[in-house]
Amino acid sequence: EAGVVQSPRYKIIEKKQPVAFWCNPISGHNTLYWYLQNLGQGPELLIRYENEEAVDDSQLPKDRFSAERLKGVDSTLKIQPAELGDSAVYLCASSLGGGTQETQYFGPGTRLLVL
Amino acid sequence: QQQVKQSPQSLIVQKGGISIINCAYENTAFDYFPWYQQFPGKGPALLIAIRPDVSEKKEGRFTISFNKSAKQFSLHIMDSQPGDSATYFCAAVSGGYNKLIFGAGTRLAVHP
Repeated sequence: EAGVVQSPRYKIIEKKQPVAFWCNPISGHNTLYWYLQNLGQGPELLIRYENEEAVDDSQLPKDRFSAERLKGVDSTLKIQPAELGDSAVYLCASSLGGGTQETQYFGPGTRLLVL
Repeated sequence: QQQVKQSPQSLIVQKGGISIINCAYENTAFDYFPWYQQFPGKGPALLIAIRPDVSEKKEGRFTISFNKSAKQFSLHIMDSQPGDSATYFCAAVSGGYNKLIFGAGTRLAVHP
């Protein structure tokens, strides 16, 4: 079974440019998460979807970040405009449901470098 | 505010030795405590997890010890192998939502 797929794997952009990340969750997984992982730190939740609905976006910087999950499958995360401090790894994860003990399966991440 | 505190930041163990990573939390609403393993260039992967009504859980060479009164839990890796070299994250999940709160991670190096 294929795992969580993310693209691109690496992205280098100039500051103030837009950037988008794509995630394809494990087939049948209704819950999708976007995490931010800074160097040497644990992942931090940005947004969580239950199907198409964003049920927790409290940590998403809405002035520059946006996300969507059309049709409740694939998801995109966008940053516009990017800032130097956005350089990090953006991880996508999915789980079968949203319960406390549901295992979250992570993709390999997109490593973003903003110059 | 760091809700889950993890130590040490890095750990070097000889092959065959025991690796011990410690975590502490404050929020008593946490009701599930997973450990994740992350290799370079990969996403974190669930290693083992425990509920607070259990004091210990063992899966192969990996054991979680949980002390509810002290709000502390730890991961023990017995007979550590070079292939165990990775970054380990403890995490806590608050009741009601599957929201993972991660510790800062421990970089483990197992030397042959």
